[in-house]
Amino acid sequence: SAVISQKPSRDICQRGTSLTIQCQVDSQVTMMFWYRQQPGQSLTLIATANQGSEATYESGFVIDKFPISRPNLTFSTLTVSNMSPEDSSIYLCSVAPWGTYNEQFFGPGTRLTVL
Amino acid sequence: GDSVTQMEGPVTLSEEAFLTINCTYTATGYPSLFWYVQYPGEGLQLLLKATKADDKGSNKGFEATYRKETTSFHLEKGSVQVSDSAVYFCALSEVQGAQKLVFGQGTRLTINP
Repeated sequence: SAVISQKPSRDICQRGTSLTIQCQVDSQVTMMFWYRQQPGQSLTLIATANQGSEATYESGFVIDKFPISRPNLTFSTLTVSNMSPEDSSIYLCSVAPWGTYNEQFFGPGTRLTVL
Repeated sequence: GDSVTQMEGPVTLSEEAFLTINCTYTATGYPSLFWYVQYPGEGLQLLLKATKADDKGSNKGFEATYRKETTSFHLEKGSVQVSDSAVYFCALSEVQGAQKLVFGQGTRLTINP
């Protein structure tokens, strides 16, 4: 398994600003993922972040809006840029440790409210 | 593309009732299947998984069997408790390729005493 922490746990932001969310894992992992959970909805994958390569974005998500960094095997950041109220969601990072056969472990999430 | 469909919610049951939450999937390959649970105010936790056809995943009294012929992975529990109240998500992940999770829409379960 893996223990994942996220910062901040929640934030309230003004439209037009940006917020960077941090994800820290207690062990080295190759694959990290960023998901969005809009209010009352399911989880949608934003991008996959592998260390040493550019993040791979899903349809409907672009790097200019959600830039991701992955500087090492235990850390990643997701920035939500030029925010609007539609970006109000819970943002979760997850990891797929080696040998777990696609099983993913999730962080506690960052609850973002954009006014 | 791959997709997961869960039964519509919310679901409300009395304590000790039998639970079934239906889940069907569409995938091009042979995915791994998962049930995740989100308790109130908590993060997403893996409840159980199955990695190949006819596998049965089980945990905390919950079970689900990977049925390739019906492309289903229904969640069952014989006697639910108030503490089982949560949102349940069915999900799949392709074994090859990006290994991303595709989630169903989630089913909110409320158990009344």
